[in-house]
Amino acid sequence: EPEVTQTPSHQVTQMGQEVILRCVPISNHLYFYWYRQILGQKVEFLVSFYNNEISEKSEIFDDQFSVERPDGSNFTLKIRSTKLEDSAMYFCASSRDHNEKLFFGSGTQLSVL
Amino acid sequence: AQTVTQSQPEMSVQEAETVTLSCTYDTSESDYYLFWYKQPPSRQMILVIRQEAYKQQNATENRFSVNFQKAAKSFSLKISDSQLGDAAMYFCAYRRAISSGSARQLTFGSGTQLTVLP
Repeated sequence: EPEVTQTPSHQVTQMGQEVILRCVPISNHLYFYWYRQILGQKVEFLVSFYNNEISEKSEIFDDQFSVERPDGSNFTLKIRSTKLEDSAMYFCASSRDHNEKLFFGSGTQLSVL
Repeated sequence: AQTVTQSQPEMSVQEAETVTLSCTYDTSESDYYLFWYKQPPSRQMILVIRQEAYKQQNATENRFSVNFQKAAKSFSLKISDSQLGDAAMYFCAYRRAISSGSARQLTFGSGTQLTVLP
């Protein structure tokens, strides 16, 4: 079965540094998402992306966050100046259609020191 | 705003027995989707089962089935013949249905940690 691929699996960074989390969605999917999960807490929506623009974003997704689809295969999440509270598992997901099920990647564990 | 509530933070079941995980949700929409996701210790999110709100028939996937009560806004997951590999965190999730393109978010519950006892 096709998979959503996320790299790296773990990322450690210093507070204030920029990080880019990378995702390769399933190739024929058109809808892309980022979610995050702080350890022990629920999965929270960050942003959705369709047709080269943001569809929805949560209050978490402030000016420090941005997403990009730089080519036909990658979907990235950038955090410009990381904070301690950004430490979480970040999940990328994609779906073929707007009402189709989401396929999740295995996540990037971000640790901000 | 939609909310999803899972009132059981932890559940346990004996291997080969049946367990039911509860989920309630709040929405003013009439058309939506409901999901159960499984998150094992690897933390990957794995779709277990999906239910379309317009379908009266409860969804079933092998040993997993749901009891969808639209009027009561209840969506429970039944796991039959529980196996050790079923041990995981289970999340209930809601998603609005839409008629045209525009990605919509999943809203997750807080999860139920399921332990399977040998």
